[in-house]
Amino acid sequence: DIQLTQSPSFLSASVGDRVTITCRASQGISSYLAWYQQKPGKAPKLLIYAASTLQSGVPSRFSGSGSGTEFTLTISSLQPEDFATYYCQQLNSYPQTFGQGTKLEIK
Amino acid sequence: QVQLQESGPGLVKPSETLSLTCTVSGGSISSYYWSWIRQPAGKGLEWIGRIYTSGSTNYNPSLKSRVTMSVDTSKNQFSLKLSSVTAADTAVYYCARGGQDYDLRYNWFDPWGQGTLVTVSS
Repeated sequence: DIQLTQSPSFLSASVGDRVTITCRASQGISSYLAWYQQKPGKAPKLLIYAASTLQSGVPSRFSGSGSGTEFTLTISSLQPEDFATYYCQQLNSYPQTFGQGTKLEIK
Repeated sequence: QVQLQESGPGLVKPSETLSLTCTVSGGSISSYYWSWIRQPAGKGLEWIGRIYTSGSTNYNPSLKSRVTMSVDTSKNQFSLKLSSVTAADTAVYYCARGGQDYDLRYNWFDPWGQGTLVTVSS
């Protein structure tokens, strides 16, 4: 199985900050990567697919980039509702797998 | 818009079979792949498998020997059975809609159900 390693695992930031989360794959996955946001007690929500395509309805302060083995999720200006856990998912190889998550907390 | 709702027992005894159903509302179940994903408390996400409305399935190899999925298009529902459960199967189980393509590379999940906690304990 392809392993996805997210860094950092925990991130403390303030409203208005620009933050970047990295997802590294154990082997190349082209651009077949998605990002999800999960708030406590809720289901994950799709933010980005195909590495950089913003899902409809997701604010434009979220962006994704990368291909191959290294990917990033960037939030350009943190809003209070963005404090959550973020997961990447690779779809290139069967079975699809998720990263371990990055918990974004308020500083 | 499409909404998903999981249902089933919240407590299952060890060695027995976990059974869950996902009901799709606000749209047709047809022509999409539908997945089950689980999340142990405080841990990450694990894809269990998916089913197409024709009944075609793909399962995670790590669970394949114990998983059975089925679909009932007349009720807009699909189901999961996981046999011989142990405490390691305790988790929140989510159902989610995948893509319309057989190619798994387009199988991102949106939307998701709210999730249902299944505890395996005697």
